[in-house]
Amino acid sequence: DTAVSQTPKYLVTQMGNDKSIKCEQNLGHDTMYWYKQDSKKFLKIMFSYNNKELIINETVPNRFSPKSPDKAHLNLHINSLELGDSAVYFCASSPRWGANTEAFFGQGTRLTVV
Amino acid sequence: GEDVEQSLFLSVREGDSSVINCTYTDSSSTYLYWYKQEPGAGLQLLTYIFSNMDMKQDQRLTVLLNKKDKHLSLRIADTQTGDSAIYFCAESENTGFQKLVFGTGTRLLVSP
Repeated sequence: DTAVSQTPKYLVTQMGNDKSIKCEQNLGHDTMYWYKQDSKKFLKIMFSYNNKELIINETVPNRFSPKSPDKAHLNLHINSLELGDSAVYFCASSPRWGANTEAFFGQGTRLTVV
Repeated sequence: GEDVEQSLFLSVREGDSSVINCTYTDSSSTYLYWYKQEPGAGLQLLTYIFSNMDMKQDQRLTVLLNKKDKHLSLRIADTQTGDSAIYFCAESENTGFQKLVFGTGTRLLVSP
């Protein structure tokens, strides 16, 4: 069973569209994250949720809206997609809130905006 | 702000040792991690070291931490072609919560 799963794996869409990426973890973890990896492989945190509450929002444009319906899910909705949004988006989870916990990553969603 | 840097490429022959280096700027980092990313795949945690340790060994992997110089290295003994991947070091800020700051990644190529 996949621990952290994201859907879809690939997403190609036109500029201006609205799209969502789903993430689910079956590890019973309290904390979930979204990271963005750009074309140069640079990884940066976007959001962090703990027990469904938003904790970190790293100056991400408000076109990006995460939603956590429960502890096991953290979805990412993106409005008015722009070319610069093209990247690989990784979902991750960790057992608990704290600086010393291991983060488990999903396989990534490659978003291409044309 | 925090900054984590790595060399971009490393090429070795199968059976040799690989050493991947990383420098970071945040002296308050509590944990430092090494992640592996194979083509088209997610990030796999290889190992991590707590900031009060100098060294950690885990089978073929050896992590060395020089806290004074803010330098972290990952040594892979007996490197295999299956070790070819991008290796990311990451630091966890000492802010009471988990926020990984990743390095730029080192692409390791192992040739037969």
